Amino acid sequence: GENVEQHPSTLSVQEGDSAVIKCTYSDSASNYFPWYKQELGKGPQLIIDIRSNVGEKKDQRIAVTLNKTAKHFSLHITETQPEDSAVYFCAAGHSGTYKYIFGTGTRLKVLA
Amino acid sequence: DGGITQSPKYLFRKEGQNVTLSCEQNLNHDAMYWYRQDPGQGLRLIYYSQIVNDFQKGDIAEGYSVSREKKESFPLTVTSAQKNPTAFYLCASSTTGAPDTEAFFGQGTRLTVV
Repeated sequence: GENVEQHPSTLSVQEGDSAVIKCTYSDSASNYFPWYKQELGKGPQLIIDIRSNVGEKKDQRIAVTLNKTAKHFSLHITETQPEDSAVYFCAAGHSGTYKYIFGTGTRLKVLA
Repeated sequence: DGGITQSPKYLFRKEGQNVTLSCEQNLNHDAMYWYRQDPGQGLRLIYYSQIVNDFQKGDIAEGYSVSREKKESFPLTVTSAQKNPTAFYLCASSTTGAPDTEAFFGQGTRLTVV
């Protein structure tokens, strides 16, 4: 069935370093790839998204890249800060279905 | 402020009881969703509704029921038939039911069976 694999499951970086989280999707019809940040005890919040007609998108310290051929997309956070510590989820969806398929999450810890 | 509100934040249930989780949105969104989150797993879809008075089963609907009588409300009932109900439940909404639009999540309800 359709699935999204996400790696790594945990990631620790020093403050100021970069963090990269990678996802691979199986459904070639997927055309929308959001990334959500979930802080402890709260609901996920969209931080950036990308559509299949774009290869890269940036918003200040965060960027997402998409390789449709390889069915890979990645989240890049530069100049990490302690407040970036959270669980990050990738997801894939397409207009022919009713739902996103979520990855299993990455717990990011930014060490001061 | 516009948003999506879940209540209660914490809920305790005795085995054999049904409980209802509330989800209300004032974003004027057509679509609403219920997800279940377990440790180390992604979000799994329980039920979704693309329009008032209509809803569909997701991947793990067994032991759950929903209603969508009003556009702004999508309550989830966890029945006694749900064998492992302890989890974090998330409600979401989006402008349409198309999964290429942003989903807005509530703050979640943590359900514990005691």
